[in-house]
Amino acid sequence: TQLLEQSPQFLSIQEGENLTVYCNSSSVFSSLQWYRQEPGEGPVLLVTVVTGGEVKKLKRLTFQFGDARKDSSLHITAAQTGDTGLYLCAGPASYGKLTFGQGTILTVHP
Amino acid sequence: NAGVTQTPKFQVLKTGQSMTLQCAQDMNHNSMYWYRQDPGMGLRLIYYSASEGTTDKGEVPNGYNVSRLNKREFSLRLESAAPSQTSVYFCASFGFWLGGNEQFFGPGTRLTVL
Repeated sequence: TQLLEQSPQFLSIQEGENLTVYCNSSSVFSSLQWYRQEPGEGPVLLVTVVTGGEVKKLKRLTFQFGDARKDSSLHITAAQTGDTGLYLCAGPASYGKLTFGQGTILTVHP
Repeated sequence: NAGVTQTPKFQVLKTGQSMTLQCAQDMNHNSMYWYRQDPGMGLRLIYYSASEGTTDKGEVPNGYNVSRLNKREFSLRLESAAPSQTSVYFCASFGFWLGGNEQFFGPGTRLTVL
């Protein structure tokens, strides 16, 4: 079973600060995905990283896939209150299944 | 185009009661999934259906059964609910979207077992 470990589990910051969330595994993944979940809703896909060393940017969010394809990070620049939510990394398995990390709960205070 | 829909949104059961959670998708996806989400544990796969007519166990199947009624619908049944099944349940489907494969999630069912 491929496991994904996310850190930190909780992050509480002030608006305008930068932050990084990490997703690590001892296994190699063909790709990794990041999902964001708001209270009362299901997760929504933010990005998929496929190539080792790949960097993708989504406005203030920067996603990186490790060279060895065992880890990924999510960096948010100048966090806003609207970034508050649960961030999940996920790796693919057979039949479209996903293995999820345990998630990082981000709270951005005004 | 509603995506993935789930009913009910909230449910309270007593220990030993049974219920069925309903899920439907209108994206013509072959694969569908049921997850449960508990604090600090991410999403754990209960059952999945790779295609119409097939179902298979995931990571935490005990106490649950599923039915893939047709391509659109995938239901989850709790035969005899237990307090350990208090959780938020998500249904998802898997398909190709905007250049990549993605799971699409429903809004969830919040279940409390007393």
